[in-house]
Amino acid sequence: AQSVTQLGSHVSVSEGALVLLRCNYSSSVPPYLFWYVQYPNQGLQLLLKYTSAATLVKGINGFEAEFKKSETSFHLTKPSAHMSDAAEYFCALAGGTSYGKLTFGQGTILTVHP
Amino acid sequence: DAGVIQSPRHEVTEMGQEVTLRCKPISGHDYLFWYRQTMMRGLELLIYFNNNVPIDDSGMPEDRFSAKMPNASFSTLKIQPSEPRDSAVYFCASRPGRENTEAFFGQGTRLTVV
Repeated sequence: AQSVTQLGSHVSVSEGALVLLRCNYSSSVPPYLFWYVQYPNQGLQLLLKYTSAATLVKGINGFEAEFKKSETSFHLTKPSAHMSDAAEYFCALAGGTSYGKLTFGQGTILTVHP
Repeated sequence: DAGVIQSPRHEVTEMGQEVTLRCKPISGHDYLFWYRQTMMRGLELLIYFNNNVPIDDSGMPEDRFSAKMPNASFSTLKIQPSEPRDSAVYFCASRPGRENTEAFFGQGTRLTVV
């Protein structure tokens, strides 16, 4: 079965510091991978997605992620954190043998300190 | 399009009562997903539909939970009887047919069972 694992349920950074949120996947064939963000009391919204084109994907708000097949990873990064980036971030997987299913990781809460 | 619409936004009910959550997906989307979000378990996929047909309901926790999609523009998630441990935020999401496309989430229904 396909699955997604996010390493670290909480990540704390200072404003201006690098943001790195980790995501690893398990799939017998290359899947489609997504990062979503959830602000308090809201639904999830898409940050970026990997769909087998370029391995380095750029998203909204300065975020980007790199698909590494050899490491089965899709880590999310941002060079300089802003206070407004504080939210919960979810990695998700679709495609492959999922028969349409969209599976999410457990989420990582990002805290940004002044 | 107004996006995915869920109702009600908040529901408080007494233990043992029946609860019905409603979702209107985006017109033209082939997939509809129901998720439950709690602090303890994160974002769990309960059930999803393709073209109004349930594909995988293995995430439905118990027989007390049931979901229907009578047509392409409406779905319900019912809990009968409700229990305090069902308290959570329930999200509905819809997506076009292609798995490499974005899923759009509703604002969620916050359910509290007392």
